[in-house]
Amino acid sequence: SQKIEQNSEALNIQEGKTATLTCNYTNYSPAYLQWYRQDPGRGPVFLLLIRENEKEKRKERLKVTFDTTLKQSLFHITASQPADSATYLCALPPGGGKLIFGQGTELSVKP
Amino acid sequence: DAMVIQNPRYQVTQFGKPVTLSCSQTLNHNVMYWYQQKSSQAPKLLFHYYDKDFNNEADTPDNFQSRRPNTSFCFLDIRSPGLGDAAMYLCATSSGQVSNQPQHFGDGTRLSIL
Repeated sequence: SQKIEQNSEALNIQEGKTATLTCNYTNYSPAYLQWYRQDPGRGPVFLLLIRENEKEKRKERLKVTFDTTLKQSLFHITASQPADSATYLCALPPGGGKLIFGQGTELSVKP
Repeated sequence: DAMVIQNPRYQVTQFGKPVTLSCSQTLNHNVMYWYQQKSSQAPKLLFHYYDKDFNNEADTPDNFQSRRPNTSFCFLDIRSPGLGDAAMYLCATSSGQVSNQPQHFGDGTRLSIL
């Protein structure tokens, strides 16, 4: 069955550094991949969508890559700030307008 | 601002006592989803509506039901909540039944079972 894996260990980095989060998937060839941010006690918020024919997508300080050979997406936040501290979820579409979410990686940016 | 609103934010019920969670949206999206999310876990899709067309996930327990009386509102009914049903319940919408549309989430209802 389709499986998504994100690093379950929290990522702790210093303010100003680049945070890199990983999303791996198996048994799957998605046409798209989405990234969401979730703050404690809140619903996920959509950040970026990348298509299988796009190697890289940028939005302000965010950059997402999508390697269909490695079956992996990387999510980068450059010049990270304490306000970037949250859990980041990747999500893939199994079809029918649905999404399968990873369990997320918690990012903590220290001043 | 157009949004997805879930009420209540916190709900406490007794073991076995039916409970209803509600979701409303002002986005006029035709797809609405219900997810269950337990601590440090991925949101798990329970079911979704494409307009009035109901789509149940194969592993959603029969204890969970849903109603969508109109485009704007959707309800999640848990007929006999067990301790294992304590979780955050998230409602989301999207503008089409295609996978390239982002989903818009409410802030969830946290359900506790006594």
